[in-house]
Amino acid sequence: AQTVTQSQPEMSVQEAETVTLSCTYDTSESNYYLFWYKQPPSRQMILVIRQEAYKQQNATENRFSVNFQKAAKSFSLKISDSQLGDTAMYFCAFMKQGRWDYKLSFGAGTTVTVRA
Amino acid sequence: DVKVTQSSRYLVKRTGEKVFLECVQDMDHENMFWYRQDPGLGLRLIYFSYDVKMKEKGDIPEGYSVSREKKERFSLILESASTNQTSMYLCASSLLGLLGSGANVLTFGAGSRLTVL
Repeated sequence: AQTVTQSQPEMSVQEAETVTLSCTYDTSESNYYLFWYKQPPSRQMILVIRQEAYKQQNATENRFSVNFQKAAKSFSLKISDSQLGDTAMYFCAFMKQGRWDYKLSFGAGTTVTVRA
Repeated sequence: DVKVTQSSRYLVKRTGEKVFLECVQDMDHENMFWYRQDPGLGLRLIYFSYDVKMKEKGDIPEGYSVSREKKERFSLILESASTNQTSMYLCASSLLGLLGSGANVLTFGAGSRLTVL
């Protein structure tokens, strides 16, 4: 399995402020996908954003954006204008790009708390 | 709305019991997965299935088995539950198709929290 590392177990941010979550991964693959998933308290895991490794442009989804540094094997998530509903555990995940490879490798997660 | 439904949200079992965790999806997805979630370890893949009656071992299959007799249903079985299998179990599904078309996005169930005493 690929190794995905999230070095920040917990982060706290004031409402309307910006927070950045870090993620690094270890792979010898050149083509792959990276994801951030969000797991709100007692609710289902949902996709926040995804990035194809062959694309140089960083993905954005509304207030969520990534900083993808392929050479450094780094994939950070920035949450802008944080809202109370952003309180959740966030997981970084890696998927190889192969015809029969649909398995995700996850990091340990970062718990984000947005303070009012 | 697309859904993955896990039959039990909370279970408490005794050591040595046989445990069944059921998962049903209504999206006609080919791929189905069972993950285990533990604090500090993230999600770890137990088993994966890309078709009826097909299964592949994930990273931590020991102590578990799976069954997929119908496309929409994927069951996780603990033949003899042990205390170290106390955990949150997440089922997920995805399309089998061209990667990049949405086939690589997982839809998750709400999870089944299992406690083995």
